[in-house]
Amino acid sequence: AQSVSQHNHHVILSEAASLELGCNYSYGGTVNLFWYVQYPGQHLQLLLKYFSGDPLVKGIKGFEAEFIKSKFSFNLRKPSVQWSDTAEYFCAVNMESGGSYIPTFGRGTSLIVHP
Amino acid sequence: DSGVTQTPKHLITATGQRVTLRCSPRSGDLSVYWYQQSLDQGLQFLIQYYNGEERAKGNILERFSAQQFPDLHSELNLSSLELGDSALYFCASSVGEGGTGNTIYFGEGSWLTVV
Repeated sequence: AQSVSQHNHHVILSEAASLELGCNYSYGGTVNLFWYVQYPGQHLQLLLKYFSGDPLVKGIKGFEAEFIKSKFSFNLRKPSVQWSDTAEYFCAVNMESGGSYIPTFGRGTSLIVHP
Repeated sequence: DSGVTQTPKHLITATGQRVTLRCSPRSGDLSVYWYQQSLDQGLQFLIQYYNGEERAKGNILERFSAQQFPDLHSELNLSSLELGDSALYFCASSVGEGGTGNTIYFGEGSWLTVV
């Protein structure tokens, strides 16, 4: 079945620690990959996306993600987190549905950064 | 601000009732998507409309329906409401009809509480 898995449901870090959030997908078609962030009480905002080309993608707020095709993975990284990075992070993959490519989301990872 | 506008932001209603959620897409976007976010199900795709026509259907209950009007705004109608329908309902929009490379942008959501 087509799916998106985020292995870390809850992550707690101290400021300045490095972050890596895992995302794996099960889909055999052309992949478009996304990371969205949802700050407390807010809507989902696009952090970064990968369609083709360089598998290392840089996004906003110092985030980056690496697409590894052989591992069906698209992990999100940040070298040094800040308290303001506390949020829910969602990985998404466009999957074909009735001729349209619809983002399918993972269950999300809750990140708490302690000052 | 993503440019996607949703109303109302919060809604409390009783079981068995019917509600209508409204969404205005970003300027220039022709596609509208509806998602339901709940603690137990995560982010679930409900339905997509493109330029007034239904384009893709996800896990939308028969009690729910949607439409997109000529001015491109969309409404999601939820009827015979049950306690389990309590969730955050997101609208998103995109320029295209959902080909590869499709990127969607979310509104702030409508919180529905069924009591």
